[in-house]
Amino acid sequence: EAQVTQNPRYLITVTGKKLTVTCSQNMNHEYMSWYRQDPGLGLRQIYYSMNVEVTDKGDVPEGYKVSRKEKRNFPLILESPSPNQTSLYFCASTSEGQPQHFGDGTRLSIL
Amino acid sequence: AQTVTQSQPEMSVQEAETVTLSCTYDTSENNYYLFWYKQPPSRQMILVIRQEAYKQQNATENRFSVNFQKAAKSFSLKISDSQLGDTAMYFCAFMKLINTGTASKLTFGTGTRLQVTL
Repeated sequence: EAQVTQNPRYLITVTGKKLTVTCSQNMNHEYMSWYRQDPGLGLRQIYYSMNVEVTDKGDVPEGYKVSRKEKRNFPLILESPSPNQTSLYFCASTSEGQPQHFGDGTRLSIL
Repeated sequence: AQTVTQSQPEMSVQEAETVTLSCTYDTSENNYYLFWYKQPPSRQMILVIRQEAYKQQNATENRFSVNFQKAAKSFSLKISDSQLGDTAMYFCAFMKLINTGTASKLTFGTGTRLQVTL
């Protein structure tokens, strides 16, 4: 089954404690991205990757890092999380202009 | 930069009735895709329908259809015979084509919360 898998689904943590949200896809897609969803703002792109070792900033990259060492994985790293990063996060993948496949979302709460 | 506007934060429709959700966008691109995504309470992002900008024919998927007006930069979603399971947040999204076949980011509107009532 084609899917994008995010972990964890839920996380409550404290300010400053580094965390990583993993994302893995099994469709051999070149393009992967991270979005955050906030009430009244829709989804906004954080970072994206066109292929292995190729990443770039999206619209709201501050406070986040990513890496793309393998084609299937695209982790999102919060080195020093802050409360304004409390949000719902989605990983997505796609290829050649196809609709993006989304993971099921990760709800992050940073206290 | 592209922008997507959904001017209806909330809408309500009775079961079996028809409802139209509006979406407008602003772009200088000529080649792009438009999408409607549904987000039910489970939070999943589910693709409802997509439209290629070069196609004049409006896309249709069962009870869902769009009215794509390229010159007006309008992309509305019509849901016919509404069902309780259609209750969800609906997002309009734009994706430009960087090069032939190359994927790029989705730019989303702020969403319309649709409630289907008995």
